[in-house]
Amino acid sequence: NAGVTQTPKFRILKIGQSMTLQCAQDMNHNYMYWYRQDPGMGLKLIYYSVGAGITDKGEVPNGYNVSRSTTEDFPLRLELAAPSQTSVYFCASSSPGLAGGANEQFFGPGTRLTVL
Amino acid sequence: AQSVTQLGSHVSVSEGALVLLRCNYSSSVPPYLFWYVQYPNQGLQLLLKYTTGATLVKGINGFEAEFKKSETSFHLTKPSAHMSDAAEYFCAVSDLGGYSTLTFGKGTMLLVSP
Repeated sequence: NAGVTQTPKFRILKIGQSMTLQCAQDMNHNYMYWYRQDPGMGLKLIYYSVGAGITDKGEVPNGYNVSRSTTEDFPLRLELAAPSQTSVYFCASSSPGLAGGANEQFFGPGTRLTVL
Repeated sequence: AQSVTQLGSHVSVSEGALVLLRCNYSSSVPPYLFWYVQYPNQGLQLLLKYTTGATLVKGINGFEAEFKKSETSFHLTKPSAHMSDAAEYFCAVSDLGGYSTLTFGKGTMLLVSP
């Protein structure tokens, strides 16, 4: 199993450009998440999905969009890149399980994005 | 709303010394609590978690944590630090709505000197 994969690993964008960060998992997890990590700030939830066709906002959704057309993929879209979106982005997945919020999240290796 | 506070952005220990990383949480209901570790240029990896039952939880690599409801704490310990433990550690609390969304602390960087 590859687990959670993310592409690209690094990207530099100019202000106003758009891009899609790709995330895929091969563990048949229903739940998927996008976080951003900024130095000294921990990880903050951008969007999450509990299944194909179902997404919801997290703590910091502004400037981002997501879609979930399959169980495996959960892309994150930046429409008009801004310097404030310079960050490391992590995708994660987990299975529902009987205990709801008790299940482990599995993280991808991250995408380091710089907006200049 | 839930929140997590990690005391100390950096903790320095000598190899072989006790590791203690502090985490306090705020939650209106009994929480699920997690410790994740992040090695340089990698994603996060689960160290251990508390859901229900025994309040002393053992994890990977010799780490353990104790859930203390009265102190709203979930501190991470390891009796003897190893150079390979140098990493950033994150405490997190899960919401109870069933969707496993996590609220993270700001992280503590553990530095281990020879």
